[in-house]
Amino acid sequence: EAGVAQSPRYKIIEKRQSVAFWCNPISGHATLYWYQQILGQGPKLLIQFQNNGVVDDSQLPKDRFSAERLKGVDSTLKIQPAKLEDSAVYLCASSLGRGTVNTGELFFGEGSRLTVL
Amino acid sequence: RKEVEQDPGPFNVPEGATVAFNCTYSNSASQSFFWYRQDCRKEPKLLMSVYSSGNEDGRFTAQLNRASQYISLLIRDSKLSDSATYLCVVNQAGTALIFGKGTTLSVSS
Repeated sequence: EAGVAQSPRYKIIEKRQSVAFWCNPISGHATLYWYQQILGQGPKLLIQFQNNGVVDDSQLPKDRFSAERLKGVDSTLKIQPAKLEDSAVYLCASSLGRGTVNTGELFFGEGSRLTVL
Repeated sequence: RKEVEQDPGPFNVPEGATVAFNCTYSNSASQSFFWYRQDCRKEPKLLMSVYSSGNEDGRFTAQLNRASQYISLLIRDSKLSDSATYLCVVNQAGTALIFGKGTTLSVSS
């Protein structure tokens, strides 16, 4: 079974530039998450989608970050304009159901590593 | 106060040692608890769920104390391959998982 696909794997940009990350979840997974992991920290939720609707975006810096999942399958996360503190790994994850209360299993992609200079 | 707190370590232990990691969570409404493992420059993967009665998976034992809002992970007979960061994770019904900062374990021969 194919896992969560993310691209690009690496991106280096200068501050104030824009960047977009793409994620294709595991087939049939209704819930998709974007997490930000800064070096030395645990993953921090940015946004959670259930199908094509937003469940939680309370921690998404909406002045510069945006995300969409238009057809309820793949998703794009955009940062515009980027700041130095946005340097991190952006992890996309998917799960069968909402909240994963029963199994706790999120399936993560390999992540997109962003460096902002 | 952070929602999930862990001792970041690093824990440096020899092969064969027993090591324990602790974690506390702040939200008493948390319902589900997990340990994830993250290898260097890799994505996190589910290691095991944590139940109130305690649960064991081979050399790994997880315990939950709801009254103290405390979770633990015990690794017996450590192997070189256990070297990784262990992330304590909690969630409430219908919400996304909340991760701690992780505890780094280094097992040496």
